[in-house]
Amino acid sequence: EPEVTQTPSHQVTQMGQEVILRCVPISNHLYFYWYRQILGQKVEFLVSFYNNEISEKSEIFDDQFSVERPDGSNFTLKIRSTKLEDSAMYFCASTQDSLGQNSPLHFGNGTRLTVT
Amino acid sequence: AQTVTQSQPEMSVQEAETVTLSCTYDTSESNYYLFWYKQPPSRQMILVIRQEAYKQQNATENRFSVNFQKAAKSFSLKISDSQLGDTAMYFCAFMNPPKNDMRFGAGTRLTVKP
Repeated sequence: EPEVTQTPSHQVTQMGQEVILRCVPISNHLYFYWYRQILGQKVEFLVSFYNNEISEKSEIFDDQFSVERPDGSNFTLKIRSTKLEDSAMYFCASTQDSLGQNSPLHFGNGTRLTVT
Repeated sequence: AQTVTQSQPEMSVQEAETVTLSCTYDTSESNYYLFWYKQPPSRQMILVIRQEAYKQQNATENRFSVNFQKAAKSFSLKISDSQLGDTAMYFCAFMNPPKNDMRFGAGTRLTVKP
């Protein structure tokens, strides 16, 4: 079964550094998402992306965050200047159609980001 | 703003028994979707079951079923014949089209005891 793949599985970075988290969504999917989960807390929506632009973003997704689909396969999340509180598990997800149209959200296995 | 509330941080159940996880949500919309996701220790997010708000019939998937009470804005998950592999965090989630995001509750940690 096709999978959403995320790399790396664990990223350690120093506060203030830029970090790029990478995702390869399922190939025929058109909608892409980033979620994060601070350890022991709930999964929080960050951003959704369709047709090469952001379709929704949450209050968490401030100017420090950006997303890009640089080619036909990768979907990246960039954090410009990491803070300690950015330490979390970041999940990429994709759907074939807009959520709710018989299209479940397929999650990757996540990237654990540790900011020191 | 839509919110999802899971009032049970932790629950446990004996193997082969039935357990119900509760979820309530708040919305003024009439068209929406509800989901239960399972997150085992591997941290993967796995879709368990989904319910369309316009459907009156409760969704079922094998041992998993929901009790969807639209007027009460309640969406509980029933797990029958619990198995050790059901041990996981369970997240209730809400989505309201055309907004293309999904909002999760805080989760319930379920432990199935042998």
